[in-house]
Amino acid sequence: DAKTTQPPSMDCAEGRAANLPCNHSTISGNEYVYWYRQIHSQGPQYIIHGLKNNETNEMASLIITEDRKSSTLILPHATLRDTAVYYCIGGYSTLTFGKGTMLLVSP
Amino acid sequence: DTGVSQDPRHKITKRGQNVTFRCDPISEHNRLYWYRQTLGQGPEFLTYFQNEAQLEKSRLLSDRFSAERPKGSFSTLEIQRTEQGDSAMYLCASSLVATGGSYEQYFGPGTRLTVT
Repeated sequence: DAKTTQPPSMDCAEGRAANLPCNHSTISGNEYVYWYRQIHSQGPQYIIHGLKNNETNEMASLIITEDRKSSTLILPHATLRDTAVYYCIGGYSTLTFGKGTMLLVSP
Repeated sequence: DTGVSQDPRHKITKRGQNVTFRCDPISEHNRLYWYRQTLGQGPEFLTYFQNEAQLEKSRLLSDRFSAERPKGSFSTLEIQRTEQGDSAMYLCASSLVATGGSYEQYFGPGTRLTVT
């Protein structure tokens, strides 16, 4: 699995877009970029994944750079319930979680 | 609820006892994974099954740990002779092997084990 680097914490005001960056410069050609989040004491929740193209679903958008060395997860209108640890993972079938980014959404 | 379920949600046991956890995956999913998570860390991969076959085991999975998925549906994770260091959240996830190769995993709520 690719090694990923994420900021340890970020703040966002409620209603604003949250942009969470991730570096994965060692990602290989067949490895996907997955994003998960984990709200305190719950199991991780799948958010989105992509290979080369940008992706959007009902939860978020994923922007992957053309060289695939980094990506950004965008929560377009953050709410208090989006406060969680966000994990970016470069991998194929098994997942190697790092420490993620603790996103705090404030009123 | 059609998500991944785990039982029990909490388990307190004394050092040296054996414990067994159960995971029921999403019904059509053919892959099942076990992870362990300690406080302040991300989940760590332990093992996974495709149908009945256990295809990969982490070095974290010591000889005291054993996992089974006898009929390719639910799975059990047993820890023998528990140690205090086994205290953690044990997470189960499932996925559907898809043409094209993405394997997004869906996690259960976890079983929190406390060894006293």
